[in-house]
Amino acid sequence: LAKTTQPISMDSYEGQEVNITCSHNNIATNDYITWYQQFPSQGPRFIIQGYKTKVTNEVASLFIPADRKSSTLSLPRVSLSDTAVYYCLVGDMRDTDKLIFGTGTRLQVFP
Amino acid sequence: GAVVSQHPSWVICKSGTSVKIECRSLDFQATTMFWYRQFPKQSLMLMATSNEGSKATYEQGVEKDKFLINHASLTLSTLTVTSAHPEDSSFYICSAYGTSSTDTQYFGPGTRLTVL
Repeated sequence: LAKTTQPISMDSYEGQEVNITCSHNNIATNDYITWYQQFPSQGPRFIIQGYKTKVTNEVASLFIPADRKSSTLSLPRVSLSDTAVYYCLVGDMRDTDKLIFGTGTRLQVFP
Repeated sequence: GAVVSQHPSWVICKSGTSVKIECRSLDFQATTMFWYRQFPKQSLMLMATSNEGSKATYEQGVEKDKFLINHASLTLSTLTVTSAHPEDSSFYICSAYGTSSTDTQYFGPGTRLTVL
């Protein structure tokens, strides 16, 4: 099982870049790394997914080192609306035994 | 794309009654649907996995006779909480995985169940 470890919480200010790191030391060859955002009383929202190196989309970047034992979600210029819980999920959708969410990181953005 | 809906968004019921929650993939075919439960300020906990046309696979500790799951089509799965008790009060979230553009699951908005 690719158990994930994330910081429990982080604080930031509007306009800053936020980097949230997830450790997954026993990631398997077929595992992808996926990040979700969740607001209170809502389902998680897909942010970004990657396998290795760097992935960028319109809302975030995902950095994955060569050994894939960790990953970093980067949110550029956060706003108050980015206050949420962020989950890193590591697994292979064809092997649902590995779909275990960690504790998530509670990001608080201040004005 | 990759939109998943749930109905109802919230429900209040009396203890002992049964409640059905629907999960639909609106713009893609979901070969697999997942049901999660989330208690306040906690992470999501996978309850069961269902593949279209076959029986659901339940996680350890989840009573299959209490949480009935049906995945009769590629766009619909239902979770029925039978003989609900106050301890079943929680936030239930479904997700769907299938023929969308990315190899990931997409989540519904969740259903808040309150059992009195």
